Amino acid sequence: DTEVTQTPKHLVMGMTNKKSLKCEQHMGHRAMYWYKQKAKKPPELMFVYSYEKLSINESVPSRFSPECPNSSLLNLHLHALQPEDSALYLCASSQGSGTGIQPQHFGDGTRLSIL
Amino acid sequence: ILNVEQSPQSLHVQEGDSTNFTCSFPSSNFYALHWYRWETAKSPEALFVMTLNGDEKKKGRISATLNTKEGYSYLYIKGSQPEDSATYLCAFPGGTTDSWGKLQFGAGTQVVVTP
Repeated sequence: DTEVTQTPKHLVMGMTNKKSLKCEQHMGHRAMYWYKQKAKKPPELMFVYSYEKLSINESVPSRFSPECPNSSLLNLHLHALQPEDSALYLCASSQGSGTGIQPQHFGDGTRLSIL
Repeated sequence: ILNVEQSPQSLHVQEGDSTNFTCSFPSSNFYALHWYRWETAKSPEALFVMTLNGDEKKKGRISATLNTKEGYSYLYIKGSQPEDSATYLCAFPGGTTDSWGKLQFGAGTQVVVTP
């Protein structure tokens, strides 16, 4: 069982909907990440939170809005998405402040489909 | 964007055979190299984080070596079993102190072990 829990596992939404993806970890990790993964491609980093502060935003469109309410939770708020945003969204966490030396622990992902 | 390349793209291995594959990365300004295993319908699992030139790490039948001067890492699977079937990803942290948390993933090597 993964120690990073993502909900929901699947999400289908229209382009005008607002929805949120949730990620939770209880390993005491202080760095948390959102990745987007398209079929047959490697994961692409979207956001990094370090000690609940946004430290890296990979020029992600504003229709994706991350939030880190506390050290265990990471949300990704979705609004006015496009069909090309359909993908697997992975959450990960790591010890420390996200320095790149610690391994990342991934959730199972949310499979998102935009109609 | 850092150039992280993996070869081959896919491998078919008979059960019991050993195999290996490569990850190439920029040799300048090396910081760390990550290896992950990603089985279908599961979350990516961290195998190794390697930091020192000449480093060799082992986990069960899987081992990895690192050459930072020439910019490559090998992953070896000894006596492949069907449960080793997965996509193996290497990842390289970003090249500046502000972006070490950013992992640039290679495209992966898909390993299929047949009985």
